Amino acid sequence: LLEQSGADVKRPGASVKVSCRATGFTFPSYGISWVRQAPGQGLEWMGWISGNSGNTEYAQKFQGRVTMTTDRATNTAYMELRSLRNDDTALYFCARGPDPYSSSSYFDSWGHGTLVTVSS
Amino acid sequence: DIVMTQSPDSLAVSLGERASINCKSSQSLLYTSNNKNYLAWYQQKPGQPPKLLIYWASTRESGVPDRFSGSGSETDFTLTISSLQAEDVAVYYCQQYYSSPPITFGQGTRLEIK
Repeated sequence: LLEQSGADVKRPGASVKVSCRATGFTFPSYGISWVRQAPGQGLEWMGWISGNSGNTEYAQKFQGRVTMTTDRATNTAYMELRSLRNDDTALYFCARGPDPYSSSSYFDSWGHGTLVTVSS
Repeated sequence: DIVMTQSPDSLAVSLGERASINCKSSQSLLYTSNNKNYLAWYQQKPGQPPKLLIYWASTRESGVPDRFSGSGSETDFTLTISSLQAEDVAVYYCQQYYSSPPITFGQGTRLEIK
């Protein structure tokens, strides 16, 4: 099970940090990807973090603006997105991949999503 | 980046009839060293996260009804629902994991009851 933090509203230019707590499985045995979905739109992959090593890979679009981290003590992954814009308004999902060493994975478990609204 | 294109964008099928959704990738998803196609299918119902249905192009996830099947290889793939049930109304996405970063998804296909 992946439990995500609650909805958040941010001003343009601010940062948001979304959490994803894993229960019922061994965190280091998996990777966690972050996928977002703008209202009424499709799925967009943002990046991945290894639950084992903490290595990260980010989509080019978000390079320099996103940071993904993990806290192995609490089995929690975090995604921080900075310099928010109106078009960052979306539902942000964490998703588990079965390979802790590669971002090339399907996703067998998803969080419920965290709605981030960016508005002035 | 690998571009994933689904067809059709929307589909209406009668209950009990077969539904087929196509997914085409801009390059082959077949890794020859293990003979596996790096392609997954998801179902997303309103207000819910996506649910994994199929991975490795044709392996059904545990608990997924056997009316769902995946086929295809290299660049052309199909998700088939053999006998549509009311609870299958959803948006379906294909996803490639052959080349990352980035992982890429198809644009989605909306499936409705006729």
